[in-house]
Parts: sequence; structure tokens; C-alpha cells
Amino acid sequence: KNQVEQSPQSLIILEGKNCTLQCNYTVSPFSNLRWYKQDTGRGPVSLTIMTFSENTKSNGRYTATLDADTKQSSLHITASQLSDSASYICVVPAYSGAGSYQLTFGKGTKLSVIP
Amino acid sequence: NAGVTQTPKFQVLKTGQSMTLQCAQDMNHNSMYWYRQDPGMGLRLIYYSASEGTTDKGEVPNGYNVSRLNKREFSLRLESAAPSQTSVYFCASSEKVLAGGAYNEQFFGPGTRLTVL
Repeated sequence: KNQVEQSPQSLIILEGKNCTLQCNYTVSPFSNLRWYKQDTGRGPVSLTIMTFSENTKSNGRYTATLDADTKQSSLHITASQLSDSASYICVVPAYSGAGSYQLTFGKGTKLSVIP
Repeated sequence: NAGVTQTPKFQVLKTGQSMTLQCAQDMNHNSMYWYRQDPGMGLRLIYYSASEGTTDKGEVPNGYNVSRLNKREFSLRLESAAPSQTSVYFCASSEKVLAGGAYNEQFFGPGTRLTVL
């Protein structure tokens, strides 16, 4: 069964500190992996999309890594800010037949950045 | 551009009542989706529309119907609401349905928080 597992479930860090969120997936065949940020009461917003040939991709203070061999990805946040408080969701498209894919969502990591 | 808009933002229903959730996008996207998000679970696909005039079931379609009114609008209807349908509903759109190795980005609306008593 296609699955996306994230850890930790929640995380509290001090403002200015770094943190790393983990994602393990069992989706096959693999096409790409996405990280979304979801603020409380809002819809998810894409942070980055990585294909199997990309090991690292940065978007400002966010850096995503991908190891397609071990089927693991991480999202590293540098110099955290209060506005980084949100849920971070790992998403992998899963083949649904007839040449199309549907997104498989992880449960997310709830990050709280405190002053 | 407003992106993806959803109405209403909040709704409370009694068991057995019906209602329609509205979604519209102004990005000229071909594909639209309805998801539900429940505590402790990832988003799950209810229905999607690959293009105007087509709709297909997703992972959890039971108890729902959809209508792709035109290219811009995609509505979700609950004919007889049940407490199990209490959830946050998100509409999303993309240029086209994911295919092959393509990675069409999905853009999400702000959500509708539905409570069924």
C-alpha cells in the first residue's frame, strides 16, 4: 500500500534555532516528492517539488533533501522565525491507473516556534 | 488573482440535511479536486475533475456528489449529511491531472469547516 510517514508528529523549537523534519515513503513507482506548508486555518501551500534526480533543493530558509534509494526526504528549516509555526506536509503522487497519479499525503509535522 | 476560493468558510448542519460547497478558480486550470482533512489523518481525495465535463471518484467518495459546472467552478454536494462527514474540506486546482513524470502543482483554497450534529 502506498504510504507517506512523517516524523516527528509535533515539534517545539526556540526562535532562531534550526530544525529538521523527516518523511519516509513507500510509493512506487516514484515520480516526485513535495513539501507543503499549512498555516492554521489555511489551505496547504507548496514549498518545493523534487524529482528523483534531485538530491537537494532550497527555497529561502527551507532546504529539502531526497534519497530515492532509501525513500527518505527531509525538510531543514534554518534560523526559524515565528511565522514558520505551521504544519509541514510531505506529499508523493501515487499511480492511480490509466496514466494518471493522485497525491498521497502524510499526516504532517506540527511545528511551533516560540520566542 | 484570487486563486482558489471556497464558500462558505464555516457551516453547521444537522444530520440528514443537505448542502453544497462551492469552489471557483481563476487560474484557467483544467483540473479540480475536493479533499477532506480530518484530525490525525492526511488529506484524502473525495472526487476530482480532470477537465470540464468529467468527474471521477477518489479515495473516499461515499456520501458525496460533485458537479463541474464550467471550467472555473467545481461543487461538492452532501445529500444527507452524517456526523462522520464533519471535517475540513479543501478544493484545489491544477493545470492538468498528474500524468507520467509531470509534477503539476496543485493550488489549494482556504477550506470549509463543516460540522454535522
